[in-house]
Amino acid sequence: DAMVIQNPRYQVTQFGKPVTLSCSQTLNHNVMYWYQQKSSQAPKLLFHYYDKDFNNEADTPDNFQSRRPNTSFCFLDIRSPGLGDAAMYLCATSREIGLAKNIQYFGAGTRLSVL
Amino acid sequence: QKEVEQDPGPLSVPEGAIVSLNCTYSNSAFQYFMWYRQYSRKGPELLMYTYSSGNKEDGRFTAQVDKSSKYISLFIRDSQPSDSATYLCAMSALYNAGNMLTFGGGTRLMVKP
Repeated sequence: DAMVIQNPRYQVTQFGKPVTLSCSQTLNHNVMYWYQQKSSQAPKLLFHYYDKDFNNEADTPDNFQSRRPNTSFCFLDIRSPGLGDAAMYLCATSREIGLAKNIQYFGAGTRLSVL
Repeated sequence: QKEVEQDPGPLSVPEGAIVSLNCTYSNSAFQYFMWYRQYSRKGPELLMYTYSSGNKEDGRFTAQVDKSSKYISLFIRDSQPSDSATYLCAMSALYNAGNMLTFGGGTRLMVKP
């Protein structure tokens, strides 16, 4: 049973057209993360929510925003996608932060194409 | 220099071979070490985690950490075609901000029948 669910699996958008990616979790975890992963590269953390507290990575472009309306759902909004934003977007959750072991559970990802 | 280095491969081995996957790192504060497996077009799934130095075994998989050399390894015994995937190492420091993970770039493994 999928515990971190991302929708859609594939998203095609046009250059400059806003797009929203969705993530939901059934684990009741406090922390939700969004990563960007380009081909053959490590996942790059964009931001994370600890409960309702939003934490942006310093080098995440302003073009990327996020919302977490409740514990279960988190959204990634790309306001004006550029060609360089084409990537796999991964959502992950963990029970807490600052624990001895930060086990993160990942969704299957959304592959974004920008035309 | 990246904080975590991982040979991208691809690494191609025959079925049944012993596979050795490795990462080196530069941050001596890293204490927790994980291996994730990522199948093509899927999200990473946690395979193993270890704390500090030492070995940990789970079935065909053995994770090894050598903190003195800043080197971690994942061994796969009796490799199967279903092991063909990208393997990502990840690590975190005990009290870093938010306990965030630092990933290696992944090694692509191909196990041929």
